[in-house]
Amino acid sequence: EAQVTQNPRYLITVTGKKLTVTCSQNMNHEYMSWYRQDPGLGLRQIYYSMNVEVTDKGDVPEGYKVSRKEKRNFPLILESPSPNQTSLYFCASSLSGPGLAGGFSYEQYFGPGTRLTVT
Amino acid sequence: GENVEQHPSTLSVQEGDSAVIKCTYSDSASNYFPWYKQELGKRPQLIIDIRSNVGEKKDQRIAVTLNKTAKHFSLHITETQPEDSAVYFCAASSGNYGQNFVFGPGTRLSVLP
Repeated sequence: EAQVTQNPRYLITVTGKKLTVTCSQNMNHEYMSWYRQDPGLGLRQIYYSMNVEVTDKGDVPEGYKVSRKEKRNFPLILESPSPNQTSLYFCASSLSGPGLAGGFSYEQYFGPGTRLTVT
Repeated sequence: GENVEQHPSTLSVQEGDSAVIKCTYSDSASNYFPWYKQELGKRPQLIIDIRSNVGEKKDQRIAVTLNKTAKHFSLHITETQPEDSAVYFCAASSGNYGQNFVFGPGTRLSVLP
């Protein structure tokens, strides 16, 4: 079954304790992205990756790190979490990456979400 | 950078009526405009999308229109059903390869029986 998985699904942690949220897709997608969702703000892009070893910042990258060592995995790292990073996080992947072929783009498939609470 | 506005923030319609949600964007270079539906407690799922070289696209009861000159696009849902109740997000894809996605704040649609 084609899918995007995230772990953990729920996490409560304390300020300053490093954590990693994993994201994995089995669709051989080149493009992967992380978003956070907060009430009234929609989804905001944190980081994205066009392919292995190619990552770049989205609109709200402060306080986050990512890596893309393998095509299927795109972990999100919070080195020193703070309460303002309490949010619902979604990973997404897309075939071939948006806009690579003359401006055409492809559907993003979202993971189930990770609800993070930082106290 | 790109900015996407979405209106209304909440919308209630009677079952069988039509619903229209409007979005505006700021970056004239944006070239891909998807719409996502998110049911309570679930992940966003694509319901329809449109590329900048197309003015309108329809899929059964759902249609999207794009006005590049005015930089706005709209979602139209006809013959609404209770299962259409959800939060709808518009988005615009920008950047050299369309790699940056900016989402609107969402519209909560309630279809009343």
